[in-house]
Amino acid sequence: AQTVTQSQPEMSVQEAETVTLSCTYDTSESDYYLFWYKQPPSRQMILVIRQEAYKQQNATENRFSVNFQKAAKSFSLKISDSQLGDAAMYFCAYVMEYGNKLVFGAGTILRVKS
Amino acid sequence: EPEVTQTPSHQVTQMGQEVILRCVPISNHLYFYWYRQILGQKVEFLVSFYNNEISEKSEIFDDQFSVERPDGSNFTLKIRSTKLEDSAMYFCASKPGQGAGVQETQYFGPGTRLLVL
Repeated sequence: AQTVTQSQPEMSVQEAETVTLSCTYDTSESDYYLFWYKQPPSRQMILVIRQEAYKQQNATENRFSVNFQKAAKSFSLKISDSQLGDAAMYFCAYVMEYGNKLVFGAGTILRVKS
Repeated sequence: EPEVTQTPSHQVTQMGQEVILRCVPISNHLYFYWYRQILGQKVEFLVSFYNNEISEKSEIFDDQFSVERPDGSNFTLKIRSTKLEDSAMYFCASKPGQGAGVQETQYFGPGTRLLVL
């Protein structure tokens, strides 16, 4: 069974600084997708970034980028120039290609200090 | 930008009562999902729905749960006889298709917060 592990329950970053959130996963599949979702206090789930496993290039969305290491089964999220609005719970998630269910990690609470 | 909508945003019910949670997925999306998140815990998959039938369900999704797409736009989750442990945030999600990039991305609604007393 696929599992997703986020080893950092909580992280803090100073406004305008950079922070990296860790995620590792376990799968025997070769084709799959990885996601980072943000959940602010409103508890809505907002897609941050997506990575296709068949792509070697790391995905980037504005201030958000990932470091995808397929062999190590690692998928970290880097947030540059952190803003107060980035404060939220961040979930790493996995789905196999042609699969149905997203498998989520336990989440990392990110606090941004002004 | 199209988005998934859910109603109600909050629901309080008595144990043993039936509840129906409603979702309007993004139009032209073909795959629909329900997830739940008990407070302080991770998001858990409940069920997926495609082509008017359940394509996969978790062990959580027992006989008390059912899903339906009663018309071309709504997707509902019914809990037949609610228990205290059903108290959670319920998320609906949809995705366009399968097999490539954006097709595999699930977009979530804002959730329905269910409280069973």
